[in-house]
Amino acid sequence: EVQLVQSGAEVKEPGESLKISCEGSGYSFTSYWIGWVRQMPGKGLEWMGIIWPGDSDTRYSPSFQGQVTISADKSISTAYLQWSSLKASDTAMYYCARQSGAARRFFDYWGQGTLVTVSS
Amino acid sequence: DIQMTQSPTTLSASVGDRVTITCRASQSISGWLAWYQQKPGKAPKLLIYEASSLESGVPSRFSGSGSGTEFTLTISSLQPDDFATYYCQQYNSYWTFGQGTKVEIK
Repeated sequence: EVQLVQSGAEVKEPGESLKISCEGSGYSFTSYWIGWVRQMPGKGLEWMGIIWPGDSDTRYSPSFQGQVTISADKSISTAYLQWSSLKASDTAMYYCARQSGAARRFFDYWGQGTLVTVSS
Repeated sequence: DIQMTQSPTTLSASVGDRVTITCRASQSISGWLAWYQQKPGKAPKLLIYEASSLESGVPSRFSGSGSGTEFTLTISSLQPDDFATYYCQQYNSYWTFGQGTKVEIK
């Protein structure tokens, strides 16, 4: 069974750093792209970026380039999303999702989400 | 960037109604469109891909159509479990979601 399990909710202060994770199981982790999607409170879905865990090839949405870093550790089948200096506007639910295949670029499996709250 | 525009933003309907949601792309995306359902506090769930292909396990009352710039998601007979928010997503060039359509009880 394909599963993406994300790390737990985080409460941070502005300026702090943070790294959240997404562990894949039930499939070959290095053979599928993993994307990250932001959902701000009461708002819609925004694609942030995507990574190929096989060689860590990464693409970012222009809206998020330079704001976050996406990485992966294929030895433990885990992808990461990190911030070096959080802002209150980073408060959101963050989802990881698996791209279905090379020619099937929709997201077929999703993590349960990680809620990040940034507040002083 | 490809922009996706859904209509309506909110839709009030009753159980048994036929419901149609429209999604328009700012440029042609061929058939590279997916639809997702999201319930409060839950991750999105894939319903339709390649504009009209039903994901395994999704009830047949859901259907999708369209190509180019105009697409529709239809629920043939709305069930209590279908009250949720629906998003379209293009994957022709990177990924962009529509703003969502909330289907609520009339």
